[in-house]
Amino acid sequence: GAGVSQSPSNKVTEKGKDVELRCDPISGHTALYWYRQSLGQGLEFLIYFQGNSAPDKSGLPSDRFSAERTGGSVSTLTIQRTQQEDSAVYLCASRPGTDSYEQYFGPGTRLTVT
Amino acid sequence: DQQVKQNSPSLSVQEGRISILNCDYTNSMFDYFLWYKKYPAEGPTFLISISSIKDKNEDGRFTVFLNKSAKHLSLHIVPSQPGDSAVYFCAASLPNTGNQFYFGTGTSLTVIP
Repeated sequence: GAGVSQSPSNKVTEKGKDVELRCDPISGHTALYWYRQSLGQGLEFLIYFQGNSAPDKSGLPSDRFSAERTGGSVSTLTIQRTQQEDSAVYLCASRPGTDSYEQYFGPGTRLTVT
Repeated sequence: DQQVKQNSPSLSVQEGRISILNCDYTNSMFDYFLWYKKYPAEGPTFLISISSIKDKNEDGRFTVFLNKSAKHLSLHIVPSQPGDSAVYFCAASLPNTGNQFYFGTGTSLTVIP
């Protein structure tokens, strides 16, 4: 079956512009995660969705970051007024439910802010 | 505050030998641990996991060991194969949440043919 997909795969944007990253999770997966991996760093947790609600937004680095999930499926991560330190690979993962710990990751979106 | 640490950024091993990847954690409340494998330009893929009630879990060539008193886990790959060359991440989860996973910074394994 289809895995987690993310678009775009690469995004180059100018400092100050807004960007929107998209994640299509595996069908039927109720949980969805966004992570960020900066150069030489581990995976930094950003936000978690259970269904359409986000009970845990603790990882969002600033109020320039927001995310939503509609219909319990597709999620978008929006970064407003991008800064150079936002440059990273943004990874999305989905999970079938709380009975399984395993997450299924997408290939990521590489964001470069110039 | 990095609660899960992988202190070796890279490791090189000869094909056929054992690869040992290490992971340390600081939060004694973690109750579930996972290893993920990542190839370039791809997302991480799940490899093997272990619950804190166990000290060993084996799946084919892969074995994970957990030492709770030392807050240490390790992944053993025997025998190592060139296709195992990838970045390996360990991750940990807290009980009764299952929501947030804490990842290490990864260890890049190179298996030399």
